[in-house]
Amino acid sequence: GAGVSQSPRYKVAKRGQDVALRCDPISGHVSLFWYQQALGQGPEFLTYFQNEAQLDKSGLPSDRFFAERPEGSVSTLKIQRTQQEDSAVYLCASSRTGTSGNTIYFGEGSWLTVV
Amino acid sequence: GENVEQHPSTLSVQEGDSAVIKCTYSDSASNYFPWYKQELGKGPQLIIDIRSNVGEKKDQRIAVTLNKTAKHFSLHITETQPEDSAVYFCAASTVRDDKIIFGKGTRLHILP
Repeated sequence: GAGVSQSPRYKVAKRGQDVALRCDPISGHVSLFWYQQALGQGPEFLTYFQNEAQLDKSGLPSDRFFAERPEGSVSTLKIQRTQQEDSAVYLCASSRTGTSGNTIYFGEGSWLTVV
Repeated sequence: GENVEQHPSTLSVQEGDSAVIKCTYSDSASNYFPWYKQELGKGPQLIIDIRSNVGEKKDQRIAVTLNKTAKHFSLHITETQPEDSAVYFCAASTVRDDKIIFGKGTRLHILP
């Protein structure tokens, strides 16, 4: 497809379970972003890649969160030992280049519920 | 780091009237200010953006203004329609990279 694709769209995890969320950015886009959006809140920045390089991971809330983009295209956000406060929508986004002012396109999000 | 404040958090306007949403930012290096619309169950969608070298931009019923001195920017929607009901987010990014920092959002209700 032409847009940012995320899977799974919905995930229910038991507390303590590990989860992996996948993002397929728009083809050829250099930059890829992960955001976390709690219910009724704005998206909060988690981490950012240019190609395969993770340039900023300052928003990752703990060392249970890990993101990778090994070949500079598809990215995976992994959450280990999930906790209830991890319940949120995880949004992936991409932009064409790594310079400021480029349009950032978002996927539909992966809705994670930890029970 | 950048901090973006947005208000109001909720706004109800009569169909056909105008709606205004205001944001402030903290980082003087910010130079790009997009606005996103988010409908229930969907990802944010860009509706308009403005760069720091202009003070105003308009696209049909939507306009954005920027005051760099005061570090604030606003979204104006005229002749509101039912399909304008959604959550709107302002955001900002700096010259250093292209990550954007969001405000907390405004839930806009268009009343019949």
